[in-house]
Amino acid sequence: SAVISQKPSRDICQRGTSLTIQCQVDSQVTMMFWYRQQPGQSLTLIATANQGSEATYESGFVIDKFPISRPNLTFSTLTVSNMSPEDSSIYLCSVTGTSFSEQYFGPGTRLTVT
Amino acid sequence: GQQLNQSPQSMFIQEGEDVSMNCTSSSIFNTWLWYKQDPGEGPVLLIALYKAGELTSNGRLTAQFGITRKDSFLNISASIPSDVGIYFCAGETSTNAGKSTFGDGTTLTVKP
Repeated sequence: SAVISQKPSRDICQRGTSLTIQCQVDSQVTMMFWYRQQPGQSLTLIATANQGSEATYESGFVIDKFPISRPNLTFSTLTVSNMSPEDSSIYLCSVTGTSFSEQYFGPGTRLTVT
Repeated sequence: GQQLNQSPQSMFIQEGEDVSMNCTSSSIFNTWLWYKQDPGEGPVLLIALYKAGELTSNGRLTAQFGITRKDSFLNISASIPSDVGIYFCAGETSTNAGKSTFGDGTTLTVKP
């Protein structure tokens, strides 16, 4: 399984600002995803980070709010733009293993917006 | 979209007891997965199931892929304090490979 790190691990941000979260994988992977986990809730897929092309967003998530970059097969960033308290969540990146179904998650970034 | 109904929402058990939780859906899934999330961590894959009727074990954990492909269960035998955490089921369809739909989770508390 891949080893995944995320930065920052947590942050407290002011309303209206933006935060960029980094996800680094220790090996090249085909598929990378970004999830949001609101307090006490399950995981919701935000988007698939595509290497060399625009991310594919799920219903309810838009590029202007959650721009994603994926410059290579080991790294991706998610930006949470123009934050509001409703954006307070844990943001997780994940990658798939040799089976496209099995996902391996980073430790998450815990974001609090005040 | 697809929804997974996971139950129970929470469980409080004594160390040594067996635990059972399940996940149901109105949709058919080709893959069922079970994850555990510890506080402050990302979910960790416990068991993956790929065939209807499949029964798979991982130590004290056993999971089954329902015959109808619309449900799955996870059993934990002889629970220990480190089993504490949130357990999530997840399902995938063939048209959404790599994109799992997650259940709401079962929070397990084990009393020593």
